[in-house]
Amino acid sequence: AQRVTQPEKLLSVFKGAPVELKCNYSYSGSPELFWYVQYSRQRLQLLLRHISRESIKGFTADLNKGETSFHLKKPFAQEEDSAMYYCALNRSTGKLIFGQGTTLQVKP
Amino acid sequence: NAGVTQTPKFRVLKTGQSMTLLCAQDMNHEYMYWYRQDPGMGLRLIHYSVGEGTTAKGEVPDGYNVSRLKKQNFLLGLESAAPSQTSVYFCASTRAGWATEAFFGQGTRLTVV
Repeated sequence: AQRVTQPEKLLSVFKGAPVELKCNYSYSGSPELFWYVQYSRQRLQLLLRHISRESIKGFTADLNKGETSFHLKKPFAQEEDSAMYYCALNRSTGKLIFGQGTTLQVKP
Repeated sequence: NAGVTQTPKFRVLKTGQSMTLLCAQDMNHEYMYWYRQDPGMGLRLIHYSVGEGTTAKGEVPDGYNVSRLKKQNFLLGLESAAPSQTSVYFCASTRAGWATEAFFGQGTRLTVV
């Protein structure tokens, strides 16, 4: 079955601390994985996707097929990073599945 | 650039009433989706469509129906609303193909009393 798990509902860190938001997936095949972010009172938007291997707003995510993980990392958290983060799994034939979401709270 | 537009933004229904949520996209996307967002449960897929005239069930389809008569529109219907359907509903669309970005609407906050 196709599934995405984000084990932490809330992650609270101080400004300047490293951040790691966990995402594990189950999918038989080559996964398409994404991180989406929802800032307060805004619509969800793409943060990054695994195929691009780029860094957006200082965030990176590496696909680890052996551990079936796609954790999101940032070395130094900023207050403006406070938001809800969703990990998502897609297939080219449709059915985009999201995890439960993790609220990141960055304290001053 | 309108992108994905949902109508209405807010609605209060009485138990047993019906309503239709409209999602419209102007990006010529093939795939469209309806999700509900509930605290602690994240985004759950209700129904989705991979093209005009096609629909498929997601994770939580019970109590909802959908239609995709035109490529740009995806309608979500509640025939007999229940308090358990109180939620924020999001529509999204994607192109067909590998690792394409999903574009979301602004959400519809529905309360069933």
